[in-house]
Parts: sequence; structure tokens; C-alpha cells
Amino acid sequence: KAGVTQTPRYLIKTRGQQVTLSCSPISGHRSVSWYQQTPGQGLQFLFEYFSETQRNKGNFPGRFSGRQFSNSRSEMNVSTLELGDSALYLCASSLGHSAQQGYGYTFGSGTRLTVV
Amino acid sequence: GIQVEQSPPDLILQEGANSTLRCNFSDSVNNLQWFHQNPWGQLINLFYIPSGTKQNGRLSATTVATERYSLLYISSSQTTDSGVYFCAVGGNYGQNFVFGPGTRLSVLP
Repeated sequence: KAGVTQTPRYLIKTRGQQVTLSCSPISGHRSVSWYQQTPGQGLQFLFEYFSETQRNKGNFPGRFSGRQFSNSRSEMNVSTLELGDSALYLCASSLGHSAQQGYGYTFGSGTRLTVV
Repeated sequence: GIQVEQSPPDLILQEGANSTLRCNFSDSVNNLQWFHQNPWGQLINLFYIPSGTKQNGRLSATTVATERYSLLYISSSQTTDSGVYFCAVGGNYGQNFVFGPGTRLSVLP
């Protein structure tokens, strides 16, 4: 079956613009989580969505937002882009949510965002 | 929140050698995974192992939850094993996966 699909793979944006990234989870998975990876900070948690509801949010400014649709696909949006937002954004899907034991994560290939 | 440490930070091996990567965590967990990040950035799931021992080919992992650590063993390493290995843990209170800083493995031919 198809894995986790993230689009686009690469993106170049100008400071001040906004961007929307998309993630399609594995069929049947209801949980989608987003992570930001930078060389200096490593992998940091952004959000978790389960059945269209945000369950958890990481320590990021309000410029970072997300949502999940009824088909479990998720989007994240970053407004007023800053140079420091340049990163690899990774999406992961899971059958269960974070408080449930027994469900691991499967990651997509990521979207590499460059802000110039 | 949970703190995750990984050691060593960097490891250089000759092809064919064996290695052990360690992950220590600061609190009890209900989820633990090991990932390999390839040069293109994709995180490949190696093991889901909140406790016990699992093996998959040349790789095996052991988690001793009561002592708050997990080990990843790589035997007869190959150049394709190169990359960064991450341990990620999920806490008992609905906390999302927290990733360790990773171990960068370089396997030389």
C-alpha cells in the first residue's frame, strides 16, 4: 500500500510570504504528526492531529498552524516566513494517537523549505 | 518533558564491523522507535520496541524500559548503513514522540 506522501518535495519562498505543505497519510491511518528538522535544533514536534482534532501542539509561534480533513489528509501553514523557518518538514502517520500504546510512526519523505 | 540522549554522537566503522548504539530516556515511556535517516532525509522505521528484544536481519534492538534505555545493534555493517540513527520515545501522558539528537554512522569500504 502507498506510504505517507508529502508535497511538494522542495520549495523556495521569500521572507514574508506564506506557505502550505500537504501530507497524505497511509490509508486507514487517522493520526498525522508534523516535525521540523534543522541542523541546529534537530527534530522538533509541531502538531498532532487525530480524527480532524488537534491533540497536541509543540512550542512554535502562532505563525505555524495546521489542520486535518475528514479523509485524514493534513496541511500545515506557515505565515510571514522568516529565514529561520528554512528546514525539512516531516509528516508522520499512525493508526493510533500518541497516548495509545502499540502504534508506531511512518514518516514521509519530507518537504525541504528554503526561505530567502 | 522527557529527555532523550543518544550515544555515541558519531561513529566511524570499517565495513563488516559490529556496533551498538544507545538511547537513554528520562521517564517511563509507552512508545519507542528506532529510525534510520538516509542521505535524502527520509526517516526509515527500523523497530517499534517499547520493551523487549526484536531482530530484523543484521539489526536487532533491545529496550529495558525499567532501566530507561534501549540499544540498537548493527552487525556486519555495510556502507548502505551509513546515515543518522534516531531514537524517539513517547511518554505515558499523551506526549508526542521526542527525538534524541541522533548517532551519525559512517561505514567505510
